[in-house]
Amino acid sequence: ILNVEQSPQSLHVQEGDSTNFTCSFPSSNFYALHWYRWETAKSPEALFVMTLNGDEKKKGRISATLNTKEGYSYLYIKGSQPEDSATYLCASPEGNQFYFGTGTSLTVIP
Amino acid sequence: SQTIHQWPATLVQPVGSPLSLECTVEGTSNPNLYWYRQAAGRGLQLLFYSVGIGQISSEVPQNLSASRPQDRQFILSSKKLLLSDSGFYLCAWSPGQGFNYYGYTFGSGTRLTVV
Repeated sequence: ILNVEQSPQSLHVQEGDSTNFTCSFPSSNFYALHWYRWETAKSPEALFVMTLNGDEKKKGRISATLNTKEGYSYLYIKGSQPEDSATYLCASPEGNQFYFGTGTSLTVIP
Repeated sequence: SQTIHQWPATLVQPVGSPLSLECTVEGTSNPNLYWYRQAAGRGLQLLFYSVGIGQISSEVPQNLSASRPQDRQFILSSKKLLLSDSGFYLCAWSPGQGFNYYGYTFGSGTRLTVV
């Protein structure tokens, strides 16, 4: 079992603010780290797949970094918009399955 | 292209009634298939996964069961639902061969309310 943790559990920000949250995972035997965006009553949507230490991925206003040596990844949202409100999940594989964190629930207040 | 279908989208069932949720994948063969649940206020919990027909691994003890009668079909069942079975159920698939780099593709989910 892989212990993947996310913080904070929830976050409320004003529209236009930038924000970030953390995913931590065991640094030994690391293979990949996935970020998903999950809106209520919808299926999680893949955002990024990260594998290399120092990796940085970007998709519009959302970006992510990876530190495999210390076992963490940051997700950044620049200039948050109400449509960014969702739960952001990270997951790391071991064997045949992915282990998910409990997610960070982001609410962007207009 | 690969697609995943999950139904029904919502379900309200009385305590003690049976359950059957179905998931099918198109456009791929020999996928790994998964059932996840999100209970209220909690994260995603893996319930079952399958690497092939008739091969089911259970992650948590419960009154649910899963079956894989065909390569691209995964069914979640219960003989008697409990109130605690309420939640959002997600089916997912990933490529079956080699290291699972690609992550999951999720179905659209089923909101189950047990009353």
